Amino acid sequence: GNSVTQMEGPVTLSEEAFLTINCTYTATGYPSLFWYVQYPGEGLQLLLKATKADDKGSNKGFEATYRKETTSFHLEKGSVQVSDSAVYFCALSSNTGGFKTIFGAGTRLFVKA
Amino acid sequence: NAGVTQTPKFRILKIGQSMTLQCTQDMNHNYMYWYRQDPGMGLKLIYYSVGAGITDKGEVPNGYNVSRSTTEDFPLRLELAAPSQTSVYFCASSGPGQAPMNTEAFFGQGTRLTVV
Repeated sequence: GNSVTQMEGPVTLSEEAFLTINCTYTATGYPSLFWYVQYPGEGLQLLLKATKADDKGSNKGFEATYRKETTSFHLEKGSVQVSDSAVYFCALSSNTGGFKTIFGAGTRLFVKA
Repeated sequence: NAGVTQTPKFRILKIGQSMTLQCTQDMNHNYMYWYRQDPGMGLKLIYYSVGAGITDKGEVPNGYNVSRSTTEDFPLRLELAAPSQTSVYFCASSGPGQAPMNTEAFFGQGTRLTVV
């Protein structure tokens, strides 16, 4: 079945450091890929998405590129801020799975001033 | 556009009590989900539904029940509350609904449940 694997956290960085959170997936068909963010005390919200191979999703300085050849969708940001401290979830939705959303386990990010 | 609405936001239950967590969405989404999130942990799928009248178990269904009588509503029922059910509960929905390519999931704000 479809699945998502993301790097374990927590990840601790200093402000202005470069961020990478790895995400790989297993899916049949043509999945759409997503990154969600959960700020403390809140629900999840969509950060960015990509719906086909080689697409790049971007939002708030975050980027991720849909790599079909490596089945990956790594999240990157060039310079993190304290306000980026949150939990990040990689997810997929596939037409062969009736568009059911599958989430990774989440990666907690701490950014120090 | 209200999105996904969950009630209540907070609740304290005594062991053995019952309650229903309400969830409604106004986006005509086919899929609806219930997750629980324990402190510092990821999401665990409790139940999900692919449409009205159809529900299925997720990873951790024991102690919970659901129903889906309409497209909009997906209540979660706890029959005999136990301390192990202390958690934050999130309801979510996803398409394709009215926008076939827009398959992202939308989440409610969560219900923080404590069982004492």
